[in-house]
Amino acid sequence: GENVEQHPSTLSVQEGDSAVIKCTYSDSASNYFPWYKQELGKRPQLIIDIRSNVGEKKDQRIAVTLNKTAKHFSLHITETQPEDSAVYFCAAIYLYSGGYQKVTFGTGTKLQVIP
Amino acid sequence: NAGVTQTPKFQVLKTGQSMTLQCAQDMNHNSMYWYRQDPGMGLRLIYYSASEGTTDKGEVPNGYNVSRLNKREFSLRLESAAPSQTSVYFCASRDPTGRSDTIYFGEGSWLTVV
Repeated sequence: GENVEQHPSTLSVQEGDSAVIKCTYSDSASNYFPWYKQELGKRPQLIIDIRSNVGEKKDQRIAVTLNKTAKHFSLHITETQPEDSAVYFCAAIYLYSGGYQKVTFGTGTKLQVIP
Repeated sequence: NAGVTQTPKFQVLKTGQSMTLQCAQDMNHNSMYWYRQDPGMGLRLIYYSASEGTTDKGEVPNGYNVSRLNKREFSLRLESAAPSQTSVYFCASRDPTGRSDTIYFGEGSWLTVV
């Protein structure tokens, strides 16, 4: 089965600096990689995702990059703000038309943005 | 549109008691999941249901049972609660046949077993 490793487990940055969180996956068949943000006491919510036919995707201050050969993908947050403080989860999924796809999450990164 | 709704939000159980966590989604999704979240362990899959009438074990199924009552509802039962089952439980759903691959989570259920 799929195994997803996520690093670092905790990350502290100064407001305005960039933050990078990295994930590696084991199953080369995985083709969909979402990132979720979970604020304290809240549910995880999707913030950005990328498919395996794309190397990079950007949405305002957040971006995700994917290296299929090395089987790793990263979340980049630029110009961090205090409201970015949360736990971030990556996931790796093998999507195919129809049927069930098991979702494997990383163990999470607690990001703290220091004002 | 409520999305994924789970109840109860908080529950304290004594060791050996039983309880059922309820989950319902109104997005007509085929796939539903139950995860538990523990500090430093991320989200671990307990059980999943690919479609109405089918259920399968995930990574940590021991001590749990599930029931996919219909397309909307997917319940998680603890038959004899143990302190190791103290956790936050999330129900989730997605539609693998739809245009969106997004996983939608419920608000979570905080369970303490004493």
